[in-house]
Amino acid sequence: DQQVKQNSPSLSVQEGRISILNCDYTNSMFDYFLWYKKYPAEGPTFLISISSIKDKNEDGRFTVFLNKSAKHLSLHIVPSQPGDSAVYFCAASITNTGNQFYFGTGTSLTVIP
Amino acid sequence: EAQVTQNPRYLITVTGKKLTVTCSQNMNHEYMSWYRQDPGLGLRQIYYSMNVEVTDKGDVPEGYKVSRKEKRNFPLILESPSPNQTSLYFCASRLAGIPYEQYFGPGTRLTVT
Repeated sequence: DQQVKQNSPSLSVQEGRISILNCDYTNSMFDYFLWYKKYPAEGPTFLISISSIKDKNEDGRFTVFLNKSAKHLSLHIVPSQPGDSAVYFCAASITNTGNQFYFGTGTSLTVIP
Repeated sequence: EAQVTQNPRYLITVTGKKLTVTCSQNMNHEYMSWYRQDPGLGLRQIYYSMNVEVTDKGDVPEGYKVSRKEKRNFPLILESPSPNQTSLYFCASRLAGIPYEQYFGPGTRLTVT
């Protein structure tokens, strides 16, 4: 049973506009969330994370929002650039139980120049 | 250069022929983990290790073995591979505490015929 879900397999956005990638989870015990970016033929690379004690975390063009009551997080990329075209995975963990990580199925983002 | 290396990068084998995929990291990370990526299923955790001689099952451990005799190495062993283990495999490592970002290897594409 998929505990972390990314319901949009793909997303296309014009360069310069905002990209919003969404992620839902079912386990209310998750307390740490991460986003990874993956280019073809490479391993995922860490992008940004958020602890459940926060509802927002920013790093440059990337902002992650966490809505615990809705069990939903989103990644905002502003402005989007062609180099952002990649597959984005969200991941969740229960940090006091040995750090098992649960990943979503990924969203393929295409930024159109 | 800080990195996670995996070998081989590509492997085609036959059902039942034992194989080992090696993983090594040079960042002195305590935590290491193996994932498989399948279409529509995202990344699923196979096994993880919190430190030397400490390993635990992830979401999909059946048919796999691991060992952690040295801090830098975390091999994945398939004693009797089957076609349903055809997948893209990633090794990852990280430090023990926050932040929980993992560093991923480049992946191993395994085909079992």
